[in-house]
Amino acid sequence: DAKTTQPTSMDCAEGRAANLPCNHSTISGNEYVYWYRQIHSQGPQYIIHGLKNNETNEMASLIITEDRKSSTLILPHATLRDTAVYYCIVRVGGSQGNLIFGKGTKLSVKP
Amino acid sequence: SAVISQKPSRDICQRGTSLTIQCQVDSQVTMMFWYRQQPGQSLTLIATANQGSEATYESGFVIDKFPISRPNLTFSTLTVSNMSPEDSSIYLCSVEDRDRETFGSGTRLTVV
Repeated sequence: DAKTTQPTSMDCAEGRAANLPCNHSTISGNEYVYWYRQIHSQGPQYIIHGLKNNETNEMASLIITEDRKSSTLILPHATLRDTAVYYCIVRVGGSQGNLIFGKGTKLSVKP
Repeated sequence: SAVISQKPSRDICQRGTSLTIQCQVDSQVTMMFWYRQQPGQSLTLIATANQGSEATYESGFVIDKFPISRPNLTFSTLTVSNMSPEDSSIYLCSVEDRDRETFGSGTRLTVV
């Protein structure tokens, strides 16, 4: 079973920041937090991952709480193309473990 | 990142037949994975395929139903055997790509 809990759905206005929360209260010390998204009918797309420090790349920022029991994915300026299901995944066994997908959050970006 | 070509992109098959899905990657990779995504559901790992060894299947998936080949470091196939309508799903391959998995675009299978 997935070790994460995410809201089923969220809305965001185009151009605004989208903040997607994820709870992973049972995360272990060597487990990473990964975020993927799946746009309708496509394969999942990697977004970002982190262990305990906040991370930023060209797509998003990942904020991990100090106790590592939750995290937030931030899309700084959401566009209509960001409408997708976003999956927060705790990767068992560090960076070489299997991905276990939960149900994810359906993000709808609205004009 | 790795580029994956998955074929076919979609197919409609008769029950009782088999379909082989191909996954080609543009670089040599050790680990390849096969997933199933049933309608309206999330992804479920079917098996892990390492070159030169038998695939490792997850609980609920068996080799007779989903035989996998991994002849070299850039290619793998998944066969869905003796299909029934319950096998209608999207099947995806992925590869271990440095510190992440990269996915193909999937094969949408409909069994009638």
